[in-house]
Amino acid sequence: DQQVKQNSPSLSVQEGRISILNCDYTNSMFDYFLWYKKYPAEGPTFLISISSIKDKNEDGRFTVFLNKSAKHLSLHIVPSQPGDSAVYFCAAVSKNAGNMLTFGGGTRLMVKP
Amino acid sequence: GAGVSQSPSNKVTEKGKDVELRCDPISGHTALYWYRQSLGQGLEFLIYFQGNSAPDKSGLPSDRFSAERTGGSVSTLTIQRTQQEDSAVYLCASSLARGSVGRTDTQYFGPGTRLTVL
Repeated sequence: DQQVKQNSPSLSVQEGRISILNCDYTNSMFDYFLWYKKYPAEGPTFLISISSIKDKNEDGRFTVFLNKSAKHLSLHIVPSQPGDSAVYFCAAVSKNAGNMLTFGGGTRLMVKP
Repeated sequence: GAGVSQSPSNKVTEKGKDVELRCDPISGHTALYWYRQSLGQGLEFLIYFQGNSAPDKSGLPSDRFSAERTGGSVSTLTIQRTQQEDSAVYLCASSLARGSVGRTDTQYFGPGTRLTVL
């Protein structure tokens, strides 16, 4: 039973355009959400996060949107750059489960020059 | 400063053998986590250490898996009698503290150990 789902295994975007990565969750106890970026042969690196009390958090080219009623969040990258090509993981934390992360399956983003 | 390090980076073993994977967390981080990523899958939580508290082992897939953390720093994940389905990348992460989730609880990951069970 996957509690965090990323339904698009891959996404291809032209350089300079917007990349939108989506994530859905089922556990209403999740109260904090994070996006991690992973390059091959490296561990995931933290990108951006959002608390459930907010609906938007922005950091430079990266913005995360949270729609609690739909149990959906998205990561927007604009403008996309070739260096953004990586696997992006959505993760969630439950207030009742300490700090361990529940991850989605990841979306491979390819930004074409 | 130094990040999370893991060793070995790659491990190939035969079915039935025991393996030990090592994690050195970021200095000063009291929380340590083990995850694994099987081929084509997302990251799956295995075990969590916080300070001197009893570890949260709720993610361990079987009793062949165990982990310890000595002196509140280095951790070793042991897999006994390895099976082919244990093949995965095993990732370790550390964070500053448990508690209310905030920026200080961001988990920093090591590069992982790729385990292949033949």
